[in-house]
Amino acid sequence: ELKVEQNPLFLSMQEGKNYTIYCNYSTTSDRLYWYRQDPGKSLESLFVLLSNGAVKQEGRLMASLDTKARLSTLHITAAVHDLSATYFCAVDIGGAQKLVFGQGTRLTINP
Amino acid sequence: DAGVIQSPRHEVTEMGQEVTLRCKPISGHDYLFWYRQTMMRGLELLIYFNNNVPIDDSGMPEDRFSAKMPNASFSTLKIQPSEPRDSAVYFCASRRSDSYEQYFGPGTRLTVT
Repeated sequence: ELKVEQNPLFLSMQEGKNYTIYCNYSTTSDRLYWYRQDPGKSLESLFVLLSNGAVKQEGRLMASLDTKARLSTLHITAAVHDLSATYFCAVDIGGAQKLVFGQGTRLTINP
Repeated sequence: DAGVIQSPRHEVTEMGQEVTLRCKPISGHDYLFWYRQTMMRGLELLIYFNNNVPIDDSGMPEDRFSAKMPNASFSTLKIQPSEPRDSAVYFCASRRSDSYEQYFGPGTRLTVT
């Protein structure tokens, strides 16, 4: 059974600081997804990582994928309050179109 | 371009009643997914369709749950009879076959009392 684990589950940080959210998964997959969810809202796609070594950046967020280590990171640079949300990673089970989600990381950025 | 549309947005019902959730995928998307989100279990895939055909329903919790997709622009998730443990937010998502990106609808918050 595929397991996807995020670390940390809760993160409170100050504006201007950098931090990284980690996503580990237990079986082979070449596709990893990052989503953002605001309280009471739907999921917004942030990144789709399709191969080993893939790196994508959007604004203050950068995601990377190491399929050999079964690890993806979401790095936040110079955090701002607007980035406060819950971030989910999800892994695609080998072309089966089935996304298995991590537990989510609730990020709170304080002024 | 309208996104994934779900209705109702909120549903409150009593235990034992039938509940039907509805989803309209983005036009041109040929994959449709139903997810459930709870505090205890997180986000779980219930079932997905490709070209209106159910491909994998292994996530459907039990026989009380059923899903249909009669055409490319409409899907339903039905719970009969409903139970309090079915209380959750149910999301529908869709994607094109030539893209890996799934687009989620706003969700239906179901409360079963």
